Amino acid sequence: AQSVAQPEDQVNVAEGNPLTVKCTYSVSGNPYLFWYVQYPNRGLQFLLKYITGDNLVKGSYGFEAEFNKSQTSFHLKKPSALVSDSALYFCAVILYNNNDMRFGAGTRLTVKP
Amino acid sequence: DVKVTQSSRYLVKRTGEKVFLECVQDMDHENMFWYRQDPGLGLRLIYFSYDVKMKEKGDIPEGYSVSREKKERFSLILESASTNQTSMYLCASRGIYEQYFGPGTRLTVT
Repeated sequence: AQSVAQPEDQVNVAEGNPLTVKCTYSVSGNPYLFWYVQYPNRGLQFLLKYITGDNLVKGSYGFEAEFNKSQTSFHLKKPSALVSDSALYFCAVILYNNNDMRFGAGTRLTVKP
Repeated sequence: DVKVTQSSRYLVKRTGEKVFLECVQDMDHENMFWYRQDPGLGLRLIYFSYDVKMKEKGDIPEGYSVSREKKERFSLILESASTNQTSMYLCASRGIYEQYFGPGTRLTVT
């Protein structure tokens, strides 16, 4: 099945430390990959996307993600975490027919002071 | 900025009631989507629409229907609400690639 997986339900980091939220994908053809963030009682906000080109993409709030075709991964990273980064993060992929965006189950990031 | 609005943030309905969830987008997007979000399950696609009066079933369409009479408006209908439809409902519209989400409606069916 074509999908995206987030292997960690929860990630905890200390403020100021680097953070990584993992995502792997399984699709036919070239994937279009996305990261979204959800704060409590809010809708999803777009962070960044990979469509083509440079494997390292930069997005909002200092986040970046690296597309790795050989490992079929698209991990979200930030060099220095903030307490305000605490939220639910979703990885998503658009399938080849481009009408269906599939989401991972989400990873809850907690940044402790 | 793209704006996607949903008619209610919180809604409480009784079992058996007919429920309408409204979604409006202001960017002239052709594609619109309805998801439900449940803890540990992520977002699951209920229905989507790629044009006025067009609709496609997603992964979990049972118990739901949709209406798209105008390009900017996409409605989700629960014909006879049941307690297992208690959830967060998210509407989205799509530009070229990324989707833009509304704030969500938290529906409780008692």
